[in-house]
Amino acid sequence: SQKIEQNSEALNIQEGKTATLTCNYTNYSPAYLQWYRQDPGRGPVFLLLIRENEKEKRKERLKVTFDTTLKQSLFHITASQPADSATYLCALGGGSNYQLIWGAGTKLIIKP
Amino acid sequence: SQTIHQWPATLVQPVGSPLSLECTVEGTSNPNLYWYRQAAGRGLQLLFYSVGIGQISSEVPQNLSASRPQDRQFILSSKKLLLSDSGFYLCAWSERVNTGELFFGEGSRLTVL
Repeated sequence: SQKIEQNSEALNIQEGKTATLTCNYTNYSPAYLQWYRQDPGRGPVFLLLIRENEKEKRKERLKVTFDTTLKQSLFHITASQPADSATYLCALGGGSNYQLIWGAGTKLIIKP
Repeated sequence: SQTIHQWPATLVQPVGSPLSLECTVEGTSNPNLYWYRQAAGRGLQLLFYSVGIGQISSEVPQNLSASRPQDRQFILSSKKLLLSDSGFYLCAWSERVNTGELFFGEGSRLTVL
């Protein structure tokens, strides 16, 4: 069955450093991958989408890579700030029924 | 701009009672609409999605149902809640294009006692 894995443990990063989050998947060939940010008790907020034919996508301090050979996406936040602390979700798409496959998310904590 | 409203934000219901969660979208037409449930430590689980008025697809068999009486209104219901229905429910919308991002509501925290 399709499986998507994100770091289950919280990631603690010092302010100003680059935070890197991982999203690995198996038994699936997604056409695209999305990253979302979720704050406690709130709905997820879309950040970036990267397609299977794209290696890298950037948006301000955010960068996403997509390696379909390794079946992995990396999400980077450069010059991290305490306000970046949140849970980050990855989701794979491209199947039928408009269904995204969601990771459980990685909690990121940026320490001042 | 588009907005999505979901209510109530929190509710506590006894086992066996009915449920109605409502979601409305403004500023767009013919959106795809979704109901998700999020359990702690797990990925979002798609419950229902709709591509048009009266068109509902169910992804997970359960005692929940969904309806879309108007283009931008999506309702999640249950006639009799179970303890296992407790969770965080999220409504979302997207453009018709399948690869479009999802826009989520603020969520509804349901506790069944």
